[in-house]
Amino acid sequence: GAVVSQHPSRVICKSGTSVKIECRSLDFQATTMFWYRQFPKQSLMLMATSNEGSKATYEQGVEKDKFLINHASLTLSTLTVTSAHPEDSSFYICSASPGLASDTQYFGPGTRLTVL
Amino acid sequence: AQTVTQSQPEMSVQEAETVTLSCTYDTSESDYYLFWYKQPPSRQMILVIRQEAYKQQNATENRFSVNFQKAAKSFSLKISDSQLGDAAMYFCASMGPISSGSARQLTFGSGTQLTVLP
Repeated sequence: GAVVSQHPSRVICKSGTSVKIECRSLDFQATTMFWYRQFPKQSLMLMATSNEGSKATYEQGVEKDKFLINHASLTLSTLTVTSAHPEDSSFYICSASPGLASDTQYFGPGTRLTVL
Repeated sequence: AQTVTQSQPEMSVQEAETVTLSCTYDTSESDYYLFWYKQPPSRQMILVIRQEAYKQQNATENRFSVNFQKAAKSFSLKISDSQLGDAAMYFCASMGPISSGSARQLTFGSGTQLTVLP
C-alpha cells in the first residue's frame, strides 16, 4: 500500500518558538493532503485541507496565522506551528490522497508535539 | 454536512470471541463511502474496511465484516475470532461523493476503545 511519512515523530520545544512538521507521500503523488489534530483518547479533528500549489482551506476555529500549511509539491506538505504555546501540545496527523476522485486517504504515523 | 456517531466509548471481548462495534451516520448525500479505521497504541491509522453506499452487499475483509443498513443509516463492524492484536481504538468515518467537486474529507466518529481479554 501507499506510504506516508511524517517528520519528526516527536518534538519538544520551548514556548514562543516555531515548529515545522513535514508530511511526505513516498510512493505516490498527493494532490491533496489533510492535517488533523488529536487529543488523548479523542477523535481526529480536521484542521485544514491543502491542495498542491494553492492555499490551504482551514476549518472553522483553526487559526491560519498560527498553523501555517504549505503544499509546495505533490509529495510534500508542511505544517508550521508558529509561536507555539503549551496549549498547542498535541498529536498531529497528516493524510494524503492521490486525487479528488480517490476515496482513500493514506495516513502518516503522526507527530507528538510538546511545548514547554 | 455529515455526522458520524459511535455510542460505545469502550468495548471488551474475550480472545477468539466475536464483537460488534456500532456506528450510525447522517448525510444528505445519496452517494457516499463509509470506513472503519483502527488506531492501535502506535497511533498509526489503519484502514480496516470500506463500504460504498451504492453497493448493497456488505463488505468483508477476512475476520472483519460490516452490517450496512442504508435506510437506518447504520454501519456496524463485526470482528470474528478476536485476537490480542485487535485491541485498539476503532473509528467509524464517512466521506462524501466524487461529485462534491472538492477534496473529499473524512468525518470521524468519536471512537470505540476495544480491549481484547486473554
